[in-house]
Amino acid sequence: EVQLVESGGGLVQPGRSLKLSCAASGFTFSNYYMAWVRQAPTKGLEWVASITNSGGSTYYRDSVKGRFTISRDNAKSTLYLQMDSLRSEDTATYYCTRVPRRERVFDYWGQGVMVTVSS
Amino acid sequence: DVLMTQTPVSLPVSLGGQVSISCRSSQSLVHSDGNTYLHWYLQKPGQSPQLLIYRVSNRFSGVPDRFSGSGSGTDFTLKISRVEPEDLGVYYCLQSTHFPLTFGSGTKLEIK
Repeated sequence: EVQLVESGGGLVQPGRSLKLSCAASGFTFSNYYMAWVRQAPTKGLEWVASITNSGGSTYYRDSVKGRFTISRDNAKSTLYLQMDSLRSEDTATYYCTRVPRRERVFDYWGQGVMVTVSS
Repeated sequence: DVLMTQTPVSLPVSLGGQVSISCRSSQSLVHSDGNTYLHWYLQKPGQSPQLLIYRVSNRFSGVPDRFSGSGSGTDFTLKISRVEPEDLGVYYCLQSTHFPLTFGSGTKLEIK
């Protein structure tokens, strides 16, 4: 059974940093691209960042480019999102998702982790 | 960025009925590899989104055949027949042909 379990969320002041983790199990982690998708309270879904299976290439939406870093440790089957210079508009539930390269779709999602940026 | 326009915003339905949700993109979703990367999700209340349909018309594992997807280019439709209580929630389309990947704004399926 595919499982994605996020951790690391919480309340943080504007301008500070936070690092999210996503522990994957039930599949061969190194065979899949991975991505983060977020959802602000009562709002829709927004793609944040993606990473190839080797970690050699990464992709970001413009609003987080230069502030967020997606990375992975295939030996630990873990995905990360380092979030620096956080802003109030980054407040959201962050979902870890699996991405089969051929289908380019988020096929499995974690339960989500809440990040609140507020003073 | 590719704008994904979903209609309607809200969709009242009677249990057992049939509904359609439209998703239109501001540019063609045909990738240079020939595939069209348009997908559909359902987010039930208090839950993570779940994949229903990928690449326009392929049902994901475990998705009942009451759900069907169609369309091409910039115009796509999700049809749900024989609506059941478990189908209620917000439906989203997603395009992954172009970066940044973009979602539609959602269609809330609710009981009439």
